[in-house]
Amino acid sequence: NAGVTQTPKFQVLKTGQSMTLQCAQDMNHNSMYWYRQDPGMGLRLIYYSASEGTTDKGEVPNGYNVSRLNKREFSLRLESAAPSQTSVYFCASSDYTGAGGYTFGSGTRLTVV
Amino acid sequence: GIQVEQSPPDLILQEGANSTLRCNFSDSVNNLQWFHQNPWGQLINLFYIPSGTKQNGRLSATTVATERYSLLYISSSQTTDSGVYFCAVESYTGANSKLTFGKGITLSVRP
Repeated sequence: NAGVTQTPKFQVLKTGQSMTLQCAQDMNHNSMYWYRQDPGMGLRLIYYSASEGTTDKGEVPNGYNVSRLNKREFSLRLESAAPSQTSVYFCASSDYTGAGGYTFGSGTRLTVV
Repeated sequence: GIQVEQSPPDLILQEGANSTLRCNFSDSVNNLQWFHQNPWGQLINLFYIPSGTKQNGRLSATTVATERYSLLYISSSQTTDSGVYFCAVESYTGANSKLTFGKGITLSVRP
């Protein structure tokens, strides 16, 4: 099925460890995004990529890095995980033409202990 | 940045009841989406509605862009409607599109 695929679905890290969250879409969308969801906060934008080769900071970028590997893939890296990064992470993609809105992956639940 | 406010924050319904969820936004936007987050955490796109009215089964949505609000109507609610409903507005800056979310409305439908 067409859509946005995120891996892993669950992850537990120790403080200071690093990891990369992977995201891939097969809808030929130009734009991709990483959001985090915390209780009572809605979803907040971490980083986004308007097109292959470009990335920009969102509302809460500190402690994260991203890579737009190609048009399909957009990864999020935590270099030194902190308990404050415990959250649910969502990847999304959109067609800038505005025809279909945003499509979200199923999320990654990350716990940093 | 754009502020998105949703009301009420929580809503409890008896199965079969109707409800209206509201989304206000602080500035002109290019598009608006309503999402349902189910109890498993999955975000489901309900409506992509920059203006006007759309209907999909028991759900319908209306956006009045000039007055900066959108409404989501749920009729004959079912227990499967439970979850969190998010309104998100899309704004463009040059070639960049951003989606800003409200904090959500938690709906519980009781049998």
